[in-house]
Amino acid sequence: QKEVEQNSGPLSVPEGAIASLNCTYSDRGSQSFFWYRQYSGKSPELIMFIYSNGDKEDGRFTAQLNKASQYVSLLIRDSQPSDSATYLCAVNAGGTSYGKLTFGQGTILTVHP
Amino acid sequence: DGGITQSPKYLFRKEGQNVTLSCEQNLNHDAMYWYRQDPGQGLRLIYYSQIVNDFQKGDIAEGYSVSREKKESFPLTVTSAQKNPTAFYLCASSYGQGGEKLFFGSGTQLSVL
Repeated sequence: QKEVEQNSGPLSVPEGAIASLNCTYSDRGSQSFFWYRQYSGKSPELIMFIYSNGDKEDGRFTAQLNKASQYVSLLIRDSQPSDSATYLCAVNAGGTSYGKLTFGQGTILTVHP
Repeated sequence: DGGITQSPKYLFRKEGQNVTLSCEQNLNHDAMYWYRQDPGQGLRLIYYSQIVNDFQKGDIAEGYSVSREKKESFPLTVTSAQKNPTAFYLCASSYGQGGEKLFFGSGTQLSVL
């Protein structure tokens, strides 16, 4: 069973702080990595994706990938109350799993004023 | 506007009843997916289809059935064999067949009467 595990939450940070969300995956052949944000009662929306080792920055968001450690993270700088949501890590394993994303259980983030 | 439309938003099922959830997309995407989300949990893949007239089972296909007769449509039937159907059901699509960058519909909340 290919697994994706996220750090247990909920995570609470003050406004303006950096929020760090972590994810590990079990399939070493995984090729594509995604972060989705889901507000309560709504559907997930894609906020970041990363394919290569290293960092990828988009505005206040930075995704970090370390394939050797099978680890992907999402940093949110200058956190805002509007960032309060559940963040889902998803992994596309490739190979016989081509076409399927496996999701982690999600981490609830609360940004308090 | 392009997007994915799921209906109904809320659905109630009686014991022994089959119910069908609708999913339509006008994004011209090749692949479509059905996920189930239980409270406090991530998304689990039920079925996916990478091309018209073809579909594959996901991780939790038992008690569900699908069809893909048109590129735009991927309905999900929750059969009476699914003993615990209460969940939030999400339909998604992606441009290629590799599960990259999923776009989600607004979801259907299914409950048992």
